[in-house]
Amino acid sequence: AQSVTQLGSHVSVSEGALVLLRCNYSSSVPPYLFWYVQYPNQGLQLLLKYTTGATLVKGINGFEAEFKKSETSFHLTKPSAHMSDAAEYFCAVIGVQGAQKLVFGQGTRLTINP
Amino acid sequence: SQTIHQWPATLVQPVGSPLSLECTVEGTSNPNLYWYRQAAGRGLQLLFYSVGIGQISSEVPQNLSASRPQDRQFILSSKKLLLSDSGFYLCAWEAGTLGEQYFGPGTRLTVT
Repeated sequence: AQSVTQLGSHVSVSEGALVLLRCNYSSSVPPYLFWYVQYPNQGLQLLLKYTTGATLVKGINGFEAEFKKSETSFHLTKPSAHMSDAAEYFCAVIGVQGAQKLVFGQGTRLTINP
Repeated sequence: SQTIHQWPATLVQPVGSPLSLECTVEGTSNPNLYWYRQAAGRGLQLLFYSVGIGQISSEVPQNLSASRPQDRQFILSSKKLLLSDSGFYLCAWEAGTLGEQYFGPGTRLTVT
């Protein structure tokens, strides 16, 4: 079974500052990992994904995440926050073996201060 | 390209009334389809998923039901709404075998 823990339900950063959203996962089989973003009253949009290969993955809007197996982490970063980054972010995991379903974390609300 | 539609976008219904939310996907065939709910300030709760026509799996026992009458149509229903059914309902389809899901725009349901 898989599970996801997002540390911090609410993160606040200043415009131009580094964005770091933390995600730790648990999986008994090799995982595929995802980050989604949700703007108010909208559906979720896929930001980036890790399946195999390079552990540092780049996504849309300047975001990237690094898969660290030894730390069971998949933290999301962006070097310089923009006001338009204010949204809810969800980390998700799926096991690549057997009949697995995507499991979401509880989400982190990112606020950008001017 | 694939697109996913949900309607209505918003809905206000009295307690005890029926519900029907519709989700359709274009540009793909035989997708896995999902219904999620987000209560205010909460994460995603998986309600139902379907791997094919007429095949529905329920994740949470409640007064909601789902049906898949056509390959790219997924319907969420209730015979009698409860106040606790209020929330943001999201439909998603699954692409290929990598597990990634693509979401519709959602339906905001308020039960009064």
